[in-house]
Amino acid sequence: SQTIHQWPATLVQPVGSPLSLECTVEGTSNPNLYWYRQAAGRGLQLLFYSVGIGQISSEVPQNLSASRPQDRQFILSSKKLLLSDSGFYLCAWSVPPFSASGRDNTGELFFGEGSRLTVL
Amino acid sequence: SQQGEEDPQALSIQEGENATMNCSYKTSINNLQWYRQNSGRGLVHLILIRSNEREKHSGRLRVTLDTSKKSSSLLITASRAADTASYFCATDGTSGSRLTFGEGTQLTVNP
Repeated sequence: SQTIHQWPATLVQPVGSPLSLECTVEGTSNPNLYWYRQAAGRGLQLLFYSVGIGQISSEVPQNLSASRPQDRQFILSSKKLLLSDSGFYLCAWSVPPFSASGRDNTGELFFGEGSRLTVL
Repeated sequence: SQQGEEDPQALSIQEGENATMNCSYKTSINNLQWYRQNSGRGLVHLILIRSNEREKHSGRLRVTLDTSKKSSSLLITASRAADTASYFCATDGTSGSRLTFGEGTQLTVNP
């Protein structure tokens, strides 16, 4: 079965410090990977998505970057955090639209447990 | 930008009652999905309805889709305290856009 792991679960960082959030997926190959951010009591904003190693698409300009050094690893980074970067960050994966896995490729997302970032 | 918009923003009911949440969207879709999020946790997929479907059931969940009105509803029957969570609709647009989420409905089921 497939699992997704995301860490750290909580993080308190000072303004101007670097950030690294990591996400790994097990039990599947060539997944689509996503980073979302959720403000308190709000919906999800897509930050980045990736369809393969080294392939990153950014949805919104911001202080963050993403990398995919391995097929099932997705990293969210920042060189210098801003107060506005505080939020709940969610990693997710989905089966690619034209996967040969036989799974129903509906675009259903499978989420990690989230990382709560507080920038002080 | 948010494609789906849920209403109400918050809903408080008693255990045993039915809960209905609505979602409206703006552009043509391939499918519409509903997710649940317990406080401080990741989202969990509940049900998907395709654009050529009008109604779908899964256990105590019933989802309807009206593409002419660009709206969907999620009905939870015989609610339980454990149903307390935020519920989000998400749409997969025909233009190939990524799955986009609404702002969610916070459901509280009082025991």
